[in-house]
Amino acid sequence: GQQVMQIPQYQHVQEGEDFTTYCNSSTTLSNIQWYKQRPGGHPVFLIQLVKSGEVKKQKRLTFQFGEAKKNSSLHITATQTTDVGTYFCAGAGWGSNYKLTFGKGTLLTVNP
Amino acid sequence: GAVVSQHPSRVICKSGTSVKIECRSLDFQATTMFWYRQFPKKSLMLMATSNEGSKATYEQGVEKDKFLINHASLTLSTLTVTSAHPEDSSFYICSARDYSGNTIYFGEGSWLTVV
Repeated sequence: GQQVMQIPQYQHVQEGEDFTTYCNSSTTLSNIQWYKQRPGGHPVFLIQLVKSGEVKKQKRLTFQFGEAKKNSSLHITATQTTDVGTYFCAGAGWGSNYKLTFGKGTLLTVNP
Repeated sequence: GAVVSQHPSRVICKSGTSVKIECRSLDFQATTMFWYRQFPKKSLMLMATSNEGSKATYEQGVEKDKFLINHASLTLSTLTVTSAHPEDSSFYICSARDYSGNTIYFGEGSWLTVV
């Protein structure tokens, strides 16, 4: 079945440093989504990438979808303490059920 | 924006009893809802896909007789954990797919503790 690998598992940075998390799928995806989960909270949708090679930006966050639609990355520029949380990528398969397969997530901690 | 409500947010039950968790889409119709389980500091594990008016599709390794899913309407899906065991203690999260698009919205999750 479809597998989504995500690295790194943990990342600790100083406030102001950049952060990147990477996802790689075993199969071609129809789209990939990114979620943020704060400690004790539920996943919150950040963005969806659909097109091959797509790049989207949300303020300090940059999301990329690979040309082969199998890998993706999330880059945060100049991290802030509010960025703390676990970032999950989720790959969507094909078909009407639209099942998401989640990566294991990257826990980001930011030292002020 | 679209909201998915999950209830209860926390529940404690005794071993051997059953507990029901509700997932409602508040301002959109959801033909498909998904149920996930998340262990502490772990990723979300898909348990089953729930389609309105039909039987749920369970992922491999998930006992359908233990985790009963009912999607009786376009805005409500329920997960019933039967004969609860302490090993069932976990964070259960539902999500709903917006009928008009490809966006998925998550509920706030339900913490289940079986004592």
